[in-house]
Amino acid sequence: QVQLLQSGAEVKKPGASVKVSCKASGYTFTNYYMHWVRQAPGQGLEWMGMINPSTGFTTYPHKFQGRVTMTRDTSTSTVYMELSRLISEDTAVYYCARDGGSWKHYFDYWGQGTLATVSS
Amino acid sequence: QSALTQPRSVSGSPGQSVTISCTGTSSDIGDYNYISWYQQYPGKAPKLIIYDVSKRPSGVPDRFSGSKSGNTASLTISGLQAEDEAEYYCCSYTGSFTFYVFDTGTKVTVL
Repeated sequence: QVQLLQSGAEVKKPGASVKVSCKASGYTFTNYYMHWVRQAPGQGLEWMGMINPSTGFTTYPHKFQGRVTMTRDTSTSTVYMELSRLISEDTAVYYCARDGGSWKHYFDYWGQGTLATVSS
Repeated sequence: QSALTQPRSVSGSPGQSVTISCTGTSSDIGDYNYISWYQQYPGKAPKLIIYDVSKRPSGVPDRFSGSKSGNTASLTISGLQAEDEAEYYCCSYTGSFTFYVFDTGTKVTVL
């Protein structure tokens, strides 16, 4: 069965970076794009970008360009999301979410979420 | 940040039907059939329940249905059950620059 297992909670100071991992299992890792979506406390969902695990090609929305980096390690079927220059408004639960295929525009499996808290 | 709007809450009794609307623009919902809906319980990850406007993933009950008209997408839950009490989000592809927008979510309460 498809599983996405994310790394544990993080606490960071403003200005620092956070890196979250998402280890995939139960399917062919390189056949499905992977997205990252975040959710601030009590708020809605926000798309942060995606990576093609086969090529490493990434796509980020304008809001996060220059601040987010998504990478992958095909040997361990793991994708990573690093967000830099953190501010308090980046406090959120960060989810990895598998694409329905190769950019099918929906997210069919989700990780359990990783809470990142930004606080001085 | 959200460009999609929907009612913050809807409620219904068991067995009734409820419909959640999600209003966008001609640049997102009106321009693409890449509309998806997600169900989220408190403290849990979202779950896909509708994709491509009206398709249901395997395992999702057929009481969940989706549709679109113009710039508005809708999710209907027929035969409401207690387990349907959750937050529901719609999402639309919106092309380059932003790519995907979610709405603010609608809380469904089963009376």
